[in-house]
Amino acid sequence: DAKTTQPPSMDCAEGRAANLPCNHSTISGNEYVYWYRQIHSQGPQYIIHGLKNNETNEMASLIITEDRKSSTLILPHATLRDTAVYYCIVRGNGNQFYFGTGTSLTVIP
Amino acid sequence: KAGVTQTPRYLIKTRGQQVTLSCSPISGHRSVSWYQQTPGQGLQFLFEYFSETQRNKGNFPGRFSGRQFSNSRSEMNVSTLELGDSALYLCASSFGDRDTGELFFGEGSRLTVL
Repeated sequence: DAKTTQPPSMDCAEGRAANLPCNHSTISGNEYVYWYRQIHSQGPQYIIHGLKNNETNEMASLIITEDRKSSTLILPHATLRDTAVYYCIVRGNGNQFYFGTGTSLTVIP
Repeated sequence: KAGVTQTPRYLIKTRGQQVTLSCSPISGHRSVSWYQQTPGQGLQFLFEYFSETQRNKGNFPGRFSGRQFSNSRSEMNVSTLELGDSALYLCASSFGDRDTGELFFGEGSRLTVL
């Protein structure tokens, strides 16, 4: 019952910004959008989350559209270590996270 | 501050056997969730425990069960193992109480069923 849609793969040149899109057209008003990444079958690592407003932390920025039906994760200066699968997640009731299929990001030297 | 610890990290079982996986959450976290990750189905929610009570359950058969102890440590059990149960089983913890903070994931237990 994934609530998000992401492109299966993307490439990004090292040092450039990586913009990862996500559609969540059925999101409810009180559901948060989270982004995690997973490097080669390790445990998923938290990146950022938001409800309505754009958010920024030391890792990334999250841009959420006004209608909340889509969002974009921005890695401002991609490095080789950012190569991973990125998951856009809608947080449902309680702590149930609905993971989509993710975007496999490859950062190219 | 120690992270989420899962044991064992790797294990091999045969069809029909059962397995128990353990998860120690971050100190102070009262919620523990379990996820199954397979190449075909991706990451799927199994169940969540909060204060020793199952609060949420995903769409998995009754062969998958879990419990949480008073110290918030959690175990999940899979009985009558099938080949399709081969997966990475991930545990995640949080403060719970329906907060909106992040989940912290462990490194997972990789189960292979032969």
